[in-house]
Parts: sequence; structure tokens; C-alpha cells
Amino acid sequence: AQSVTQPDIHITVSEGASLELRCNYSYGATPYLFWYVQSPGQGLQLLLKYFSGDTLVQGIKGFEAEFKRSQSSFNLRKPSVHWSDAAEYFCAVTTDSWGKFQFGAGTQVVVTP
Amino acid sequence: NAGVMQNPRHLVRRRGQEARLRCSPMKGHSHVYWYRQLPEEGLKFMVYLQKENIIDESGMPKERFSAEFPKEGPSILRIQQVVRGDSAAYFCASSSGAQETQYFGPGTRLLVL
Repeated sequence: AQSVTQPDIHITVSEGASLELRCNYSYGATPYLFWYVQSPGQGLQLLLKYFSGDTLVQGIKGFEAEFKRSQSSFNLRKPSVHWSDAAEYFCAVTTDSWGKFQFGAGTQVVVTP
Repeated sequence: NAGVMQNPRHLVRRRGQEARLRCSPMKGHSHVYWYRQLPEEGLKFMVYLQKENIIDESGMPKERFSAEFPKEGPSILRIQQVVRGDSAAYFCASSSGAQETQYFGPGTRLLVL
């Protein structure tokens, strides 16, 4: 069955420290991959996406993600987090030509001073 | 250029009433997607519509739920005879094409008493 897994439900990180959020998928075909961020009470904002080409993708707000086909992973990273990065992060995957997303359960990021 | 707009932002209904959620896509977007987010869960796809057509409703509950995207006006997600289990955040997304980036609205938070 197709699935998207975000193993970490909750991550606490100090401001200025690095952050890595994991995303693993199980799909038969090569998927299109996305990371979205959701601030409390808000909708989702696209951080970055991978369709093809260079497996290291740069996004907004200093985020990047690396697609590793051999590991079926698309992990999100940021070298130095800011307090404003506290939010919930969702990995999303689609293989459908029209973009029917399957979302992971999300990772809640808390940033401490 | 306004983003995806949803209204109301919050909606309270008693069991058995009807809920109507509206989504106005971004200007120039003719593809609309509805997702539901239950507490502590990721987003689940419900339905994909283009103008006057339902393309994929595989995520819609078989009863009480319906969606439309008329030629003129916003897309409507309608829930008849609401039950407490319908309490959730309902997000709408729009895109300019089938494989284009989906942009999300702020969501409608439905509470059924």
C-alpha cells in the first residue's frame, strides 16, 4: 500500500541549531515530493518540491531537502533554525498526473531560546 | 493577487444541521482540491474538481458529503446532517493545472456540538 511516514511526531530544537525532519514514502512509481509548513491556525505554505533532476532542492526560508531514491526518503533540513520556524511540517507525495496528495501525519517543531 | 480564500474561517453547527464551506481559488486557477485534517492527523484528500466537473471524489464519504465548483462563484463543500465526527479543519487548495503547485487556503474549522 502507498504510504508516507514522518517518524518524528515532535522535535524540540534550540534556536541556532540545525534541524532535520524525516520523510519516508512507499510508492511503486517515482513520486513527486513536497514539504509544507503550517503555522498555528493557518493554512499550508509550500516550502519546496521535487519533481526530477538535482536531488538536492532549495526552498524558501533557508530550507533544503534531499531526495534519496535508494532510501525512499525526502528529508528536510535547515542549518540554523529561527524562533519563527516553530510550526508543524508536512511531507506530501503524489504519483498521480493531476496531483492527488498523500500527506504524512506531520512533525511538530518547537524552538527553544 | 489574493491567495486562496476560504469562508467562514470558523463554523459551529449542532448535530443534524448542514454545513457549507466555501473556497475561492487564486485568480487564474481552475483546479480545486478539498482536504480534511482531523485533530492530531495529517491532511486527507477528499475531492478534486475542475470547473463544473468532479474529477476524483475517492476521498469523500459516501453519504452526507458533496462538493461542487460551478462555472461562476466559489467551490462549495456541503456536509448534510453533521455529526460530531465531522469536526475538523477543512482545507481547500487550488492550482493552475493538473501538475502545478497547489496553494492552500487558511482553512475552515468546523465544530459540531
